[in-house]
Amino acid sequence: GAGVSQSPSNKVTEKGKDVELRCDPISGHTALYWYRQSLGQGLEFLIYFQGNSAPDKSGLPSDRFSAERTGGSVSTLTIQRTQQEDSAVYLCASSLGTDVGEQYFGPGTRLTVT
Amino acid sequence: SQQGEEDPQALSIQEGENATMNCSYKTSINNLQWYRQNSGRGLVHLILIRSNEREKHSGRLRVTLDTSKKSSSLLITASRAADTASYFCATRGNTGANSKLTFGKGITLSVRP
Repeated sequence: GAGVSQSPSNKVTEKGKDVELRCDPISGHTALYWYRQSLGQGLEFLIYFQGNSAPDKSGLPSDRFSAERTGGSVSTLTIQRTQQEDSAVYLCASSLGTDVGEQYFGPGTRLTVT
Repeated sequence: SQQGEEDPQALSIQEGENATMNCSYKTSINNLQWYRQNSGRGLVHLILIRSNEREKHSGRLRVTLDTSKKSSSLLITASRAADTASYFCATRGNTGANSKLTFGKGITLSVRP
């Protein structure tokens, strides 16, 4: 079956603009995770969803970041008034449930804020 | 804050040699996982070891876990040039808000042909 997909694969935006990043998890996976990875760094946890609810939003860096998930499937990460420090690769992952260990990652969206 | 910290940060070996990568963590865990990443994009899950396990094998991979020392090691035997990638350890806490995975900064492995 299809893996996790993310769109767009690359996004270049001007400082101050809003961007939306999309994640399509593997069908049937109830848990969905967003991470951010800056150049040469590890993964920074942003938020996760169990179904449509987000029990843990602790990783969102500021109130400019928000995410939603509808229908227990597709998720959108929105960054408002982008700043240059938002430039990174945004990775989405899904798993069968939060109690299941393995996460399946998408290819990521590379965001560049100019 | 980082939970898992890998060591070394970078490792360069000759094809055919074994590669050993280490990970240390701070708080109690439910499981520890190793992932591989090529070219700064998506990660691929390699192996998971639970807190009540000490050693696990998968093909050329061997992972050990020492909960008393809060450390794990990943051994890749008979390395190949195609093993060149970044490797991350990730820990999963036991309950609630700790159920997310926390990743280290990764180890860059270069395997010279």
